[in-house]
Amino acid sequence: SQQGEEDPQALSIQEGENATMNCSYKTSINNLQWYRQNSGRGLVHLILIRSNEREKHSGRLRVTLDTSKKSSSLLITASRAADTASYFCATPTNSGYSTLTFGKGTMLLVSP
Amino acid sequence: DGGITQSPKYLFRKEGQNVTLSCEQNLNHDAMYWYRQDPGQGLRLIYYSQIVNDFQKGDIAEGYSVSREKKESFPLTVTSAQKNPTAFYLCASNSPPGRGVNGYTFGSGTRLTVV
Repeated sequence: SQQGEEDPQALSIQEGENATMNCSYKTSINNLQWYRQNSGRGLVHLILIRSNEREKHSGRLRVTLDTSKKSSSLLITASRAADTASYFCATPTNSGYSTLTFGKGTMLLVSP
Repeated sequence: DGGITQSPKYLFRKEGQNVTLSCEQNLNHDAMYWYRQDPGQGLRLIYYSQIVNDFQKGDIAEGYSVSREKKESFPLTVTSAQKNPTAFYLCASNSPPGRGVNGYTFGSGTRLTVV
């Protein structure tokens, strides 16, 4: 099954700075999704970008998708301490009609 | 408020025991999923169900069983055949169940520990 892999594994920044996380995947997809997970909690859906879109915004989040490079990036602008969490990209699984395959995530720490 | 409720939040299992994790949703979603999360790893799919009375194995179904008797409920049983069950278990749902085009709604998880 195809899988998204996030990079870096961990990222530590100061409040107010921008955070960029990357995701690479292996085969063609029709959409890519980003999720956030606070420690010990469930995942929260952040944004979905379709294969015919290059960029999408939601509040302080900006997601890009480059299907030629099979990669996506998540940019969080003006980071806050509350953004501290793990971030996962997810892509539809080839074999499953509606299932998603998740990467291992990027752990973001935003210090005050 | 609509959402997914997982219970219990923490569960302790003795060797050789079967335990059942509950997952209930009031979102009227057709599809439901169970994932397992281990430290430093991504989520791995255990089972999923697209409609009532039907479910499919995911990547790591061995040692687990599920049922889908009601649209709202998708309980997961961790059997004694699962040799390393200590993990964080996450239930999710979405609708319609088409090619993953809609984001998942997740529950808050159940942390299972073997004692």
